[in-house]
Amino acid sequence: DAGVIQSPRHEVTEMGQEVTLRCKPISGHNSLFWYRQTMMRGLELLIYFNNNVPIDDSGMPEDRFSAKMPNASFSTLKIQPSEPRDSAVYFCASRPGTAYLNTGELFFGEGSRLTVL
Amino acid sequence: DQQVKQNSPSLSVQEGRISILNCDYTNSMFDYFLWYKKYPAEGPTFLISISSIKDKNEDGRFTVFLNKSAKHLSLHIVPSQPGDSAVYFCAASLGGSNYKLTFGKGTLLTVNP
Repeated sequence: DAGVIQSPRHEVTEMGQEVTLRCKPISGHNSLFWYRQTMMRGLELLIYFNNNVPIDDSGMPEDRFSAKMPNASFSTLKIQPSEPRDSAVYFCASRPGTAYLNTGELFFGEGSRLTVL
Repeated sequence: DQQVKQNSPSLSVQEGRISILNCDYTNSMFDYFLWYKKYPAEGPTFLISISSIKDKNEDGRFTVFLNKSAKHLSLHIVPSQPGDSAVYFCAASLGGSNYKLTFGKGTLLTVNP
């Protein structure tokens, strides 16, 4: 079974450039989450979608960040313009629906390591 | 504010001994707790969970204990193995219609042969 697939695995860019991170959730999962991992703050939830609809984006740092989920099998996280403080590992995770209600278990991708110079 | 806290950034134990990882939380509304394990260059993977209606859940070498009055949970690994060396994240969920997990910063466990 294919897990959550993220791309790119590594991205090095210069400050001011646009960055787009991509995620393909596990087929049949109807919730999708974007997390960011840094040494200082650990794993922070940025945004999550339920049935392709954004439910909670309170963790999105600022207007430079945006996320979309145009269909059940694809999501993007965009940073424009990028800044050095955005350097982190960005994880996408998905979860099935009612069978996992109230359990919270997420299935994570391998992450996209972003370095902004 | 950190609602889920793992105050020990790292822990080192000898192979065969017990590893105890601790986690504290501040939100008394959390009703489900999980532990995730993360190896370098990989995503976190689910390890074990516990509902707030229980105080213990066991799965093989892994046991999670929950003390609701103290808002504290711990993960015990017995016996510890070198392959257990990883970062362990504690997470909490409000459940119900709120599906998001709130994570701690993680504890790096090193099991020495």
